[in-house]
Amino acid sequence: RKEVEQDPGPFNVPEGATVAFNCTYSNSASQSFFWYRQDCRKEPKLLMSVYSSGNEDGRFTAQLNRASQYISLLIRDSKLSDSATYLCVVNNGSARQLTFGSGTQLTVLP
Amino acid sequence: NAGVTQTPKFRILKIGQSMTLQCTQDMNHNYMYWYRQDPGMGLKLIYYSVGAGITDKGEVPNGYNVSRSTTEDFPLRLELAAPSQTSVYFCASSSAYEQYFGPGTRLTVT
Repeated sequence: RKEVEQDPGPFNVPEGATVAFNCTYSNSASQSFFWYRQDCRKEPKLLMSVYSSGNEDGRFTAQLNRASQYISLLIRDSKLSDSATYLCVVNNGSARQLTFGSGTQLTVLP
Repeated sequence: NAGVTQTPKFRILKIGQSMTLQCTQDMNHNYMYWYRQDPGMGLKLIYYSVGAGITDKGEVPNGYNVSRSTTEDFPLRLELAAPSQTSVYFCASSSAYEQYFGPGTRLTVT
């Protein structure tokens, strides 16, 4: 079983749609959780951290379920500029090492 | 403030050649990392460093070496390049859990 698993997609959605990405992780000792965004042929950049209580940043909402070892990202009112690959990322508590999922590709269509 | 810089941006190597990928950060971060990303895959950790003079292996260290003589620099050495090392290499640094990535080096070994 992969340490961090994501649906690779691709997700093709129209502008204005709501889209949700899911991610599961295998290490129950994982302490910190993140969503990174990676544009085509670019480096990953932090989109948002994920907290147990759930957190929101504008159109983006992230949620964590520790019991099910499940992380989600919801994007509302999708924009063309949201087209990217979204990486689910987990910290296993060791030397601040991050484990990356393979990513979910999103294309927002006009 | 340049953040994390990497050189070169692109390189083609012949099998058996060696090279050094350069990485420099100007944020005074203690933690630095080298990842490789194969097409359609997540990032895999090659080596990391928690401070000058301290390095440790990540998930896929074979065929690579690193050094960390200063806080700013974290070069990655490839000895005896093999086609399996064709990939995009990202360097990152962090002070907390957010990692800041360089723009990457695209390496082809033929």
